[in-house]
Amino acid sequence: EVQLVESGGGLVQPGGSLRLSCAASGFTFSSYAMNWVRQAPGKGLEWVANIKEDGSEEYYVDSVKGRFTISRDNTKNSLYLQMNSLRIEDTAVYYCARGLAHYWGQGTLVTVSS
Amino acid sequence: DVVMTQSPLSLPVTLGQPASISCRSSQSLVYTNGNTYLNWFQQRPGQSPRRLIYKVSNRESGVPDRFSGSGSVTDFTLKISRVEAEDVGVYYCMQGTHWPWTFGQGTKVEIK
Repeated sequence: EVQLVESGGGLVQPGGSLRLSCAASGFTFSSYAMNWVRQAPGKGLEWVANIKEDGSEEYYVDSVKGRFTISRDNTKNSLYLQMNSLRIEDTAVYYCARGLAHYWGQGTLVTVSS
Repeated sequence: DVVMTQSPLSLPVTLGQPASISCRSSQSLVYTNGNTYLNWFQQRPGQSPRRLIYKVSNRESGVPDRFSGSGSVTDFTLKISRVEAEDVGVYYCMQGTHWPWTFGQGTKVEIK
């Protein structure tokens, strides 16, 4: 069974940093591109970042370029999102999703507030 | 960026009746390999999104056959042939052809 379990969310002040993790199981992690998608409270879905199977390419939505970094460790079946210079508008539930968003985790809440 | 426009944004439906959601993209979603990466997602209240349809019309395993997707190039539709109570939630289209991937605003399906 495919499982994606996010962790690392929490409350952080504007300008702060946070690192999200996504633990994958039930499939060959190194064979799939991975994504982060977020959802602000009461709002719609926004794709954030993608990383290729071997980590050789990364893509980002403009609003996080230069602030967020997606990475992966295929030896640990894990996906990461390093979030720096956080803004209030980054407040959202962050989901990791496999491939073309076929499977999703349960999400982890990031709250940016003073 | 590709803008995905869904309509309607709110869809009250009587149980057992059909429902249809439109999704239009601001540019062609046909990729260089000939595939069209248009997906449909369902998000039930309090749950993570679930992919229902991929590449326009391919239903995911376990998705009831009352759900169907159709369309091409810039104009796409999700149809529910007979709405059931468990179909309540928000439905999103998403294009995965162009970076950045983009979602529609969401259509809230509720029972009248």
